[in-house]
Amino acid sequence: DSGVTQTPKHLITATGQRVTLRCSPRSGDLSVYWYQQSLDQGLQFLIHYYNGEERAKGNILERFSAQQFPDLHSELNLSSLELGDSALYFCASSIGTSGVQETQYFGPGTRLLVL
Amino acid sequence: AQKVTQAQTEISVVEKEDVTLDCVYETRDTTYYLFWYKQPPSGELVFLIRRNSFDEQNEISGRYSWNFQKSTSSFNFTITASQVVDSAVYFCALSPNFGNEKLTFGTGTRLTIIP
Repeated sequence: DSGVTQTPKHLITATGQRVTLRCSPRSGDLSVYWYQQSLDQGLQFLIHYYNGEERAKGNILERFSAQQFPDLHSELNLSSLELGDSALYFCASSIGTSGVQETQYFGPGTRLLVL
Repeated sequence: AQKVTQAQTEISVVEKEDVTLDCVYETRDTTYYLFWYKQPPSGELVFLIRRNSFDEQNEISGRYSWNFQKSTSSFNFTITASQVVDSAVYFCALSPNFGNEKLTFGTGTRLTIIP
């Protein structure tokens, strides 16, 4: 158990809908990262938040957005869902010490199926 | 741009055999970090090791060992006396040193240990 929690574990929804994925980082971690794992794209970085502020963006679609709240939990919002958005979405956290690359610990993931 | 190549898509070995998973990386950074993660059938990503670019010493942890060779840009992972529980997808990943940046993952190697 990495200490990172993600809810829900599974999500089934229809095209055009909007969903919210939730992540709670390990106790004491300030950085939260979101990744998408799909069959065709592999594991891709989406976005990084540090202590409530966006730090880096990767291959995140405009239909997707994220935020990190004062209690450090993060939410990934996916809207106007398409079949191709079906994937496993991971959240990871790290301590967030500036200037040092630390280990990212991953949550169990949320498996999203868009029908 | 950073890139990680795991040329072995799938490997099958009989239990108790040794197996090596290859990882080749590309980066222009002089300082960087390399990681290995394990993804068992249950789907979570489990951290195995982090190594920075200045430390070329090989590392051993139980039945696991890692060989980092900067000259060939490789960070290979060996499992000795493999067990059925080692069956998983293994990912090699690369990250720059600064700013707690994203992980760039390879496409993974699916390892199957045959009892």
